[in-house]
Amino acid sequence: GAVVSQHPSWVICKSGTSVKIECRSLDFQATTMFWYRQFPKQSLMLMATSNEGSKATYEQGVEKDKFLINHASLTLSTLTVTSAHPEDSSFYICSARVPQGQAFFGQGTRLTVV
Amino acid sequence: QKEVEQDPGPLSVPEGAIVSLNCTYSNSAFQYFMWYRQYSRKGPELLMYTYSSGNKEDGRFTAQVDKSSKYISLFIRDSQPSDSATYLCAMSAGTGGFKTIFGAGTRLFVKA
Repeated sequence: GAVVSQHPSWVICKSGTSVKIECRSLDFQATTMFWYRQFPKQSLMLMATSNEGSKATYEQGVEKDKFLINHASLTLSTLTVTSAHPEDSSFYICSARVPQGQAFFGQGTRLTVV
Repeated sequence: QKEVEQDPGPLSVPEGAIVSLNCTYSNSAFQYFMWYRQYSRKGPELLMYTYSSGNKEDGRFTAQVDKSSKYISLFIRDSQPSDSATYLCAMSAGTGGFKTIFGAGTRLFVKA
């Protein structure tokens, strides 16, 4: 299957700082990528849809200014958690859909804000 | 009503059992149906992918889609302890920007 690489796999940061997470499609071009958040023992919550060359579409309740998404190329989307706080600690996962319709996921990033 | 309903479990079975996981959905526009397996602290891994109705088999896994009933299933034969994970069903209406909607995930435990 297609490969989606997410980096870093885990990060610990101080409260008030910003953290950038990268999501790359390694062997295909992804015009659309998705960012999810997952709390322990819960399912994936879609945060935003990232479109190459245009603004991301955020789900209701997700703060655009806090979770900055940039999809600058067909193989890279980034999520920046700005002014992170402990409540932002979570597992963040990106996915990209191949033209045939399947969605493949990155390995996920565990963010801990202390 | 949620667009996709999935029993969160947990489901506990003995090794070698046949496991049946199911999801129902309400949006008749869904055409792409997927099953993912997620181990703890890992991203979801695509297991099965089906377009429209029908069955698909891959090794010990069989996926079934019944669009008339808006019901999808994943069967695992000869279950192994390594199959212990959370299984998420997912579906979308089309390619490109169409969102993938996930079920809540069913936690499966296969006991040796």
